[in-house]
Parts: sequence; structure tokens; C-alpha cells
Amino acid sequence: DVKVTQSSRYLVKRTGEKVFLECVQDMDHENMFWYRQDPGLGLRLIYFSYDVKMKEKGDIPEGYSVSREKKERFSLILESASTNQTSMYLCASSFNIQATDTQYFGPGTRLTVL
Amino acid sequence: QKEVEQDPGPLSVPEGAIVSLNCTYSNSAFQYFMWYRQYSRKGPELLMYTYSSGNKEDGRFTAQVDKSSKYISLFIRDSQPSDSATYLCAMSASNDYKLSFGAGTTVTVRA
Repeated sequence: DVKVTQSSRYLVKRTGEKVFLECVQDMDHENMFWYRQDPGLGLRLIYFSYDVKMKEKGDIPEGYSVSREKKERFSLILESASTNQTSMYLCASSFNIQATDTQYFGPGTRLTVL
Repeated sequence: QKEVEQDPGPLSVPEGAIVSLNCTYSNSAFQYFMWYRQYSRKGPELLMYTYSSGNKEDGRFTAQVDKSSKYISLFIRDSQPSDSATYLCAMSASNDYKLSFGAGTTVTVRA
């Protein structure tokens, strides 16, 4: 069974703090993703990584960076958290990058920035 | 205007009813159409996908695509309380990882 785990279920941070969200997958997938999910907006891709140290910007990368030093771990970094980054953050991984290939999602981290 | 619009719901139906979920889209380049199911406090999971126009059936679930109307549907027959979840449509033009998601419709099936 594929498992994608995220470091925290809930996180509360203050404006201006540096925030790290961690994601680990156990299926040796090449591809990993970070999304945010907001009411009325659906899922929006922040960053995608197709290999260690390789990344591509998604639709909304502003204010975020990522790190992939090991194949199984993909980190999302908020350099200076702002209130408009309050959201549910979902990590996913997949074997292939085809749209029809299953992306396996973690349970999400609900981040509140005060 | 968003690229993908989805009926927001919420939808509440009695057990055994047919559930009908819909999305419309504006990008005529979309060819790959997916439905994801998201249970409360969980990440989404791929339910089924369809390429181009037509129908696809998987057990109690039927996905329909009408590219001429830019309209896709998911039907759940004989709905069960375990079908209670948020359903998200997603689309892609080139069968790569760049998906455009709908906002999701929350469905509750009452026992």
C-alpha cells in the first residue's frame, strides 16, 4: 500500500515566520507534488519535482520554495509566512507523470498563519 | 472566470439514490478527464478517468464526457453512505501532470 505522510496535521504560525512542511513517500516514486486546497478554488499546484534536486514551478509558486534532497522526501518552504498562505497543503507522489496516472495524496497539513 | 467550474453543492441524498455530479470547462484543449474522491480529513484519490468524449463505467460509477458542450458528469448508482465524500473533477490537455481541478462537490448519502 502506497503511503504518503505529512509531518503535521495542523500547524499555526505567525506572519513572517519561516515554515517547513515535510512530505515522505514510501513507494520509490520519481514524482512528487505540492498543492494547496482552498474553498471554492480546488487544488492548485505549487511545485512539482521529477527527481532528486529537480523541480518545476506550478501555477502558484510565489512565496514558496521546495527542496528535494532525497527521493522519498519533498519539503515545501514558506520563506516568510503571510496570512494569505493560510490553507490546506497537500503533498502527492506518482510513478508516472501522465494525468491519468494515480497521484497518491497525503492527508494534508492545515496551516494557519496569524 | 475559472477554467473548470463545478457545482458547489452540498448534495444530500437518501441511500440508494442516483447521485449526479457535473463540471463545465472553458479550455477546448482538455482531452483527459478525471474524477477524484476525497473523504473527510484525507487526501483525494483517483476514482476514474476518461479520454476524450464518451462514457466509461466502473461498477456503480459512470463518467460521461461531452466535449461539444464542454461538460462532464459522474453518476453514482445505488448510492451508499460510504460514498459520502467530496468529489473533484480534474482535467488535462496533454496527459501530463498539469491538472486543472474543480472546486469539489460535497455529497452526503443518508442511511
